[in-house]
Amino acid sequence: SQTIHQWPATLVQPVGSPLSLECTVEGTSNPNLYWYRQAAGRGLQLLFYSVGIGQISSEVPQNLSASRPQDRQFILSSKKLLLSDSGFYLCAWSVRATNEKLFFGSGTQLSVL
Amino acid sequence: GENVEQHPSTLSVQEGDSAVIKCTYSDSASNYFPWYKQELGKRPQLIIDIRSNVGEKKDQRIAVTLNKTAKHFSLHITETQPEDSAVYFCAAEGRRALTFGSGTRLQVQP
Repeated sequence: SQTIHQWPATLVQPVGSPLSLECTVEGTSNPNLYWYRQAAGRGLQLLFYSVGIGQISSEVPQNLSASRPQDRQFILSSKKLLLSDSGFYLCAWSVRATNEKLFFGSGTQLSVL
Repeated sequence: GENVEQHPSTLSVQEGDSAVIKCTYSDSASNYFPWYKQELGKRPQLIIDIRSNVGEKKDQRIAVTLNKTAKHFSLHITETQPEDSAVYFCAAEGRRALTFGSGTRLQVQP
């Protein structure tokens, strides 16, 4: 069966520090991968999606970036965090060639202070 | 791109009553509409979905209806229980990814 791992679960970072969140998927090949952000009490905002290694599309201009160095690995990064980057970050995957059923990781609660 | 609106933002019901959450979408090309349940601090989990070739789908106490002409769909929960308390998100298939509504916080009062 397929599983998705996301870490760390919580992170407290000072303003201006770098960020690296990692997500890996097991049990499937060539998945579509996504990063969503959820501000406190708000909905899910799509940040990045990827249909293959090295193929990243950004939905919202920001100081975050994403990379997909391997088929089942998706990384969210920032060189300098802002206060507004605080939120609950969720990695997700779906079957290749479909953007239907999304399966989410357990999320990372990021607090930028 | 796709735009999804969800109402109400909060909903409080008595245990045993029914709850209804409604969503509208903008892209007539969307064909897939899932609903997710998110408990506090947890990941959203798919609870039910519907495709555009179906008008209604049921799974025990939950059901979803779709009116493709009017571009709206609804989640119905019957005989609500305290464990149904959570935030519920509707979503619609976009060209690249699911677009989510803003969520409904459902509180079931014992």
